[in-house]
Amino acid sequence: QKEVEQNSGPLSVPEGAIASLNCTYSDRGSQSFFWYRQYSGKSPELIMFIYSNGDKEDGRFTAQLNKASQYVSLLIRDSQPSDSATYLCAVTTGFQKLVFGTGTRLLVSP
Amino acid sequence: EPEVTQTPSHQVTQMGQEVILRCVPISNHLYFYWYRQILGQKVEFLVSFYNNEISEKSEIFDDQFSVERPDGSNFTLKIRSTKLEDSAMYFCASSEPRGQYFGPGTRLTVL
Repeated sequence: QKEVEQNSGPLSVPEGAIASLNCTYSDRGSQSFFWYRQYSGKSPELIMFIYSNGDKEDGRFTAQLNKASQYVSLLIRDSQPSDSATYLCAVTTGFQKLVFGTGTRLLVSP
Repeated sequence: EPEVTQTPSHQVTQMGQEVILRCVPISNHLYFYWYRQILGQKVEFLVSFYNNEISEKSEIFDDQFSVERPDGSNFTLKIRSTKLEDSAMYFCASSEPRGQYFGPGTRLTVL
């Protein structure tokens, strides 16, 4: 069974802090890694994708990938209350299905 | 900015009835997907569709489910005889190499 594991949270951080969200995956054949944000009652919204080991930055977001450890993370700098949502990690072995984790709920307090 | 659209936003049906959920993927995307999310649970893959045929399906996608691209824009999911456990949010997605983009979803309630 190919799994994606995330701590369900909630992860509570004060406004302006760095939020660090983590994800592990079991399938070593996974090729592409995605972070989605999902507000309550809404659909997943793509934030970041990463394919190669290392860091990838996009604005306040940084995705980190370590294939040897089968570990993906998302850092959110200068967290805002509007960042409060559930963050979903998803992986794929090709151009096909996404396998999602259960998500980590992030709460950013003003 | 182009986006995936889905109709209806909410569908209520009686157990055993057929439902059709509709999606319009982003126009230049070639891969289309259906996912579902039961309340409080993770997003689960149902089926992927490419070049007018199913490219992959999950164990959930049994004979009660079918997909179709009836014209150049619409992509549909049909559930032939709904069960109580089919109640969920159903998301359509379409993709480019940088990722899959999800529609707003259809909330299906089976009574």
